[in-house]
Amino acid sequence: TQLLEQSPQFLSIQEGENLTVYCNSSSVFSSLQWYRQEPGEGPVLLVTVVTGGEVKKLKRLTFQFGDARKDSSLHITAAQTGDTGLYLCAGGGGNRDDKIIFGKGTRLHILP
Amino acid sequence: DAGVIQSPRHEVTEMGQEVTLRCKPISGHDYLFWYRQTMMRGLELLIYFNNNVPIDDSGMPEDRFSAKMPNASFSTLKIQPSEPRDSAVYFCASSLFYEQYFGPGTRLTVT
Repeated sequence: TQLLEQSPQFLSIQEGENLTVYCNSSSVFSSLQWYRQEPGEGPVLLVTVVTGGEVKKLKRLTFQFGDARKDSSLHITAAQTGDTGLYLCAGGGGNRDDKIIFGKGTRLHILP
Repeated sequence: DAGVIQSPRHEVTEMGQEVTLRCKPISGHDYLFWYRQTMMRGLELLIYFNNNVPIDDSGMPEDRFSAKMPNASFSTLKIQPSEPRDSAVYFCASSLFYEQYFGPGTRLTVT
């Protein structure tokens, strides 16, 4: 059974600090996605990474896919209160009919 | 585009009652997914469809749950009879490629 483990489960830091959250698996994924979910809303896609070692940047957010395509990290520089939310990673196979597996998420709280 | 539309947004019902959740996917998307989210178990995939045909329903917890997609613009998730342990937020999502677009969810409370 494919599983995605996210760490830490909870993180509370001051505005302006940097942070990194992780998404790990023993399985290889063809693609990996990061979503952010705010209270009372559905998850919103941030990025998709497909190539081992790939790095993508979205303003202050940097996403990296591990060389072996088993893990990924999300780094936030100079966190802002608007970054508060639940960050979910999701891994997919090479075919669109393959299930997408979600991790349980990292709940991030940025203090003003 | 209006995005994925779900109704109702909130549902409170008594144990034993039938509950029907509704979803309208984004026009043109050929995949539709139903998820359930709880604090304990996170986001769980229940069932997904491709071109209105169910592909994998192995995540449906038991026979009390059923899902249909009669056409490309509408899907339902039905729970009959409902139980307190079904209380959760239920999301519908649709996709055209790998990226999924989620609706706002239905918060179901079964008392």
